[in-house]
Amino acid sequence: DSGVTQTPKHLITATGQRVTLRCSPRSGDLSVYWYQQSLDQGLQFLIQYYNGEERAKGNILERFSAQQFPDLHSELNLSSLELGDSALYFCASSVAPGTSGIGAHTDTQYFGPGTRLTVL
Amino acid sequence: EDQVTQSPEALRLQEGESSSLNCSYTVSGLRGLFWYRQDPGKGPEFLFTLYSAGEEKEKERLKATLTKKESFLHITAPKPEDSATYLCAVKSSGTYKYIFGTGTRLKVLA
Repeated sequence: DSGVTQTPKHLITATGQRVTLRCSPRSGDLSVYWYQQSLDQGLQFLIQYYNGEERAKGNILERFSAQQFPDLHSELNLSSLELGDSALYFCASSVAPGTSGIGAHTDTQYFGPGTRLTVL
Repeated sequence: EDQVTQSPEALRLQEGESSSLNCSYTVSGLRGLFWYRQDPGKGPEFLFTLYSAGEEKEKERLKATLTKKESFLHITAPKPEDSATYLCAVKSSGTYKYIFGTGTRLKVLA
């Protein structure tokens, strides 16, 4: 158990709908990352937050948005869903935003169990 | 552009047959190289972080090494429970992003 929690575990919805995925980081971690993993695809970085502020954006679609709240939990909002959005969505957390001194081990990301999204 | 390539894509070993997985990277200033294990439908499980060339880390039957261009994950006398996808990721200086490879799917046969 990494200490990162994600809800829900599974989500089935229809095209055109909107869903919200939730992530709680490990105790003490300030940075949260969101990834998408499609069938037979690698982990695609979507977005990162550190202490409530957006720090980096990857290949995140305009239909997707995220935020990190004062209690450090994060939500990923997916709207106007398409069949191709079906995937595993992972949240990860780390102590620091990724700019720590080399060897500090605060850049290491710990992943949650994921949310499996199925769009029908 | 930062890039990570893992090889082989898939590997089948007999129980006890040692082997190595490769992670080649191109990055503008390495700030860390990370190995993860991922079981089907589960989140990646952290294994090792390596920061500088020459560094080695060990955990049970796994040993990770790092050079300036690549990292190896050595698996000694593997068991069926070592079957999983092994992912490599790098983080470069000057960016907050982590780049993951597509992984090596390892199958250890009893």
